[in-house]
Amino acid sequence: GQSLEQPSEVTAVEGAIVQINCTYQTSGFYGLSWYQQHDGGAPTFLSYNALDGLEETGRFSSFLSRSDSYGYLLLQELQMKDSASYFCAVREGRDDKIIFGKGTRLHILP
Amino acid sequence: DAGVIQSPRHEVTEMGQEVTLRCKPISGHDYLFWYRQTMMRGLELLIYFNNNVPIDDSGMPEDRFSAKMPNASFSTLKIQPSEPRDSAVYFCASSSGGPSEQYFGPGTRLTVT
Repeated sequence: GQSLEQPSEVTAVEGAIVQINCTYQTSGFYGLSWYQQHDGGAPTFLSYNALDGLEETGRFSSFLSRSDSYGYLLLQELQMKDSASYFCAVREGRDDKIIFGKGTRLHILP
Repeated sequence: DAGVIQSPRHEVTEMGQEVTLRCKPISGHDYLFWYRQTMMRGLELLIYFNNNVPIDDSGMPEDRFSAKMPNASFSTLKIQPSEPRDSAVYFCASSSGGPSEQYFGPGTRLTVT
């Protein structure tokens, strides 16, 4: 079957760096996406990795290791507005749907 | 760009009533997705369309649920009859060229009493 594992909650301090991990088991793999969702809001796209390595977009970076079926989202210089839930999502095939993980709730302490 | 538009934003209805949720995707996007989100089950894909054609409806929970996309700029998700367990936030999302980078609408919060 297919499964995505990510921690349910993570706590970090404002200004610090935090890493949210995601491991997956799927029948096929085409890429890994990350989404952010604030309470009461809609998911918003952050990044997509199809190849191994690190992709950087401002304070956010996303990493993928296909051989380890593992990826992470790295948030630097944390701000209070980064308090949200973060979802990893796997694309199983070229034209296929994506499967979302259960999400990681990030708490930021002042 | 207006983004993905959904209506209504909130819907409260009684058990047994028909509910219709509406979505207008971003112009030019060829994929449209319907999701349901609850605390217990997280974000679940219900159905998705490519070029207005339903591709995978395996996530539709029961025959009470149906979805249509009559043209590239409009889709509906209908629940008939509605039940209290259908209470959730329903999101519509669209994307271009594949499912990897999806843009979500604001969602419809459905409450069935």
